[in-house]
Amino acid sequence: QQPVQSPQAVILREGEDAVINCSSSKALYSVHWYRQKHGEAPVFLMILLKGGEQKGHEKISASFNEKKQQSSLYLTASQLSYSGTYFCGTGGSSGAGSYQLTFGKGTKLSVIP
Amino acid sequence: GAVVSQHPSWVICKSGTSVKIECRSLDFQATTMFWYRQFPKQSLMLMATSNEGSKATYEQGVEKDKFLINHASLTLSTLTVTSAHPEDSSFYICSARGVHRWGGEQFFGPGTRLTVL
Repeated sequence: QQPVQSPQAVILREGEDAVINCSSSKALYSVHWYRQKHGEAPVFLMILLKGGEQKGHEKISASFNEKKQQSSLYLTASQLSYSGTYFCGTGGSSGAGSYQLTFGKGTKLSVIP
Repeated sequence: GAVVSQHPSWVICKSGTSVKIECRSLDFQATTMFWYRQFPKQSLMLMATSNEGSKATYEQGVEKDKFLINHASLTLSTLTVTSAHPEDSSFYICSARGVHRWGGEQFFGPGTRLTVL
């Protein structure tokens, strides 16, 4: 089942913040966040496995809610290099290693000067 | 670390020919590799899951006789598009699962753009 991402697109000025959401109707085993620039392959950002987990790297962070049905990606003080399409990929609900990911439709983020 | 390469980067072929795409994990062993296709401005659609030494598992609607997958070693998986047609033109991306036991982040290759004339 494909996760639902919102918003579909967002335009930011440099330095502004953004939140991208990824939700599912059932509990997820894991959530993976990727950024893809035009014509390039997706680049791994981070993975969340535990309900209530929050993690980040530099000015990009993500959370996974307690019910493990929603994840949010936070982009703080956006930079021009943040532009791209962000995808969340969700792993199935089985415990022992459902390694396949189902990707949302993506959120196109454009950062302008 | 965790670099995945794909070859070729792009290929143009005539309808009816076969095209082979290679996916290599350069600095780690990948027991599982995935093949995706992506149409312009759309999401990644999983085609098949490839496990080293065993037959690939195809997603519903993907013809296994048309998209042949071979995972001969822990660092190499190949996708062969047989008797390619214009509707097979797409961006094909492979990924390799990281060594993380639970969840296992996927590292993507740079993709191969296939154009069938």
